Amino acid sequence: EVQLVESGGGLVQPGGSLRLSCAVSGLTVSSYYMSWVRRAPGKGLEWVSVIYSDGRTYYADSVKGRFTISRHNSKNTLYLQMNSVRPEDSAMYYCASSVVVTANFDYWGQGTLVTVSS
Amino acid sequence: SYVVTQPPSVSVAPGATAKITCGGDNIATKSVHWYSQKPGQAPVLVIYYDTDRPSEIPDRFSGSNSGDTATLTINNVEAGDEADYYCQVWDASSDQYVFGAGTQVTVL
Repeated sequence: EVQLVESGGGLVQPGGSLRLSCAVSGLTVSSYYMSWVRRAPGKGLEWVSVIYSDGRTYYADSVKGRFTISRHNSKNTLYLQMNSVRPEDSAMYYCASSVVVTANFDYWGQGTLVTVSS
Repeated sequence: SYVVTQPPSVSVAPGATAKITCGGDNIATKSVHWYSQKPGQAPVLVIYYDTDRPSEIPDRFSGSNSGDTATLTINNVEAGDEADYYCQVWDASSDQYVFGAGTQVTVL
């Protein structure tokens, strides 16, 4: 059974940093396209970032230069380092997997909540 | 980057048919995937690659993609179908995934 379990969310001040983790079991993160997707209160789903199986990374324009996606292969864990956070980054953050880049997100975690507020 | 457009809301009576559109420039050349999301839950895949349906999704759900519009159709709508529905594509020109803004389906 595939499981994705996010952690690391919480309350952070504007301009601060936070690192989200996604512990994965049942699939190998280095063999999949792993993404972070968020949903802000009252808004829709927004794709944030992806790391390809070959290690290339891509970001939504809204987070480019502030967020960094990475993975730890031996821990089978995905990360999202969030720097210079803004109130508009407040959202539920989900990790999700895709077997090929053009495919759907086939597995999702339950999410971790990030609140940016002073 | 590529933009997809969904209606904000669709209201439908129980037993009727709901059609949710996802518009984009020549979207028929892209693979469109559809998700439902209920409050407090993670998104659930309902249609992938335009027309395919996961085995756990009822056959009341179907999809199509032609020209500039992809469509999710829910036949014989039930109260349990109330959710937000999102279309999603991958934009090769920008290496970014794109979600529609979402359509809230209300069962009257």
